[in-house]
Amino acid sequence: EAQVTQNPRYLITVTGKKLTVTCSQNMNHEYMSWYRQDPGLGLRQIYYSMNVEVTDKGDVPEGYKVSRKEKRNFPLILESPSPNQTSLYFCASSLGSTGAPYGYTFGSGTRLTVV
Amino acid sequence: KQEVTQIPAALSVPEGENLVLNCSFTDSAIYNLQWFRQDPGKGLTSLLLIQSSQREQTSGRLNASLDKSSGRSTLYIAASQPGDSATYLCAVPFMGNEKLTFGTGTRLTIIP
Repeated sequence: EAQVTQNPRYLITVTGKKLTVTCSQNMNHEYMSWYRQDPGLGLRQIYYSMNVEVTDKGDVPEGYKVSRKEKRNFPLILESPSPNQTSLYFCASSLGSTGAPYGYTFGSGTRLTVV
Repeated sequence: KQEVTQIPAALSVPEGENLVLNCSFTDSAIYNLQWFRQDPGKGLTSLLLIQSSQREQTSGRLNASLDKSSGRSTLYIAASQPGDSATYLCAVPFMGNEKLTFGTGTRLTIIP
């Protein structure tokens, strides 16, 4: 089944403790992206990657890092999490950044709580 | 500024009714438009994708239309069911942006 897999689904952590949220896709998509969803603010892009070893900042990149060493994987790294990073995170992939021709596929989400 | 708006923010209708959800966008330079469904606290499920050259797409009881020149899309749901209750999001990749810009969604409740 074609899918984007995120892990973990739920995570509670303490301020300052480094964590990684993994994202993997099995569709050979070149484009991958991370979004966060917050009440009243909607979905906002954190980082994106056009291909292996090519990453760039989205709208809200502060406090996050990413890497794209393999085409299928795009982990999101929080080196020193803070409470304002408590959010619902989504990984997405597509053949290209335009979404053509099949659109974007999203993972099931990771609910992160930083205390 | 390139923005996507969905009105109303919430909608409640009795089961069995046909309904229309609206999505508007400020810039007609788009590649396509995608409608998603999100259940509370869950992921985004793609419903329909309309390419910029298309006028509409259909999947089962769902029909999405696109009028790029006026910056509008509608999602028509026929014979609504309680299982249709969810938040519906439209999203657009504007030309020149390497991302999807989302609307804030319409929370739909179907009353049995």
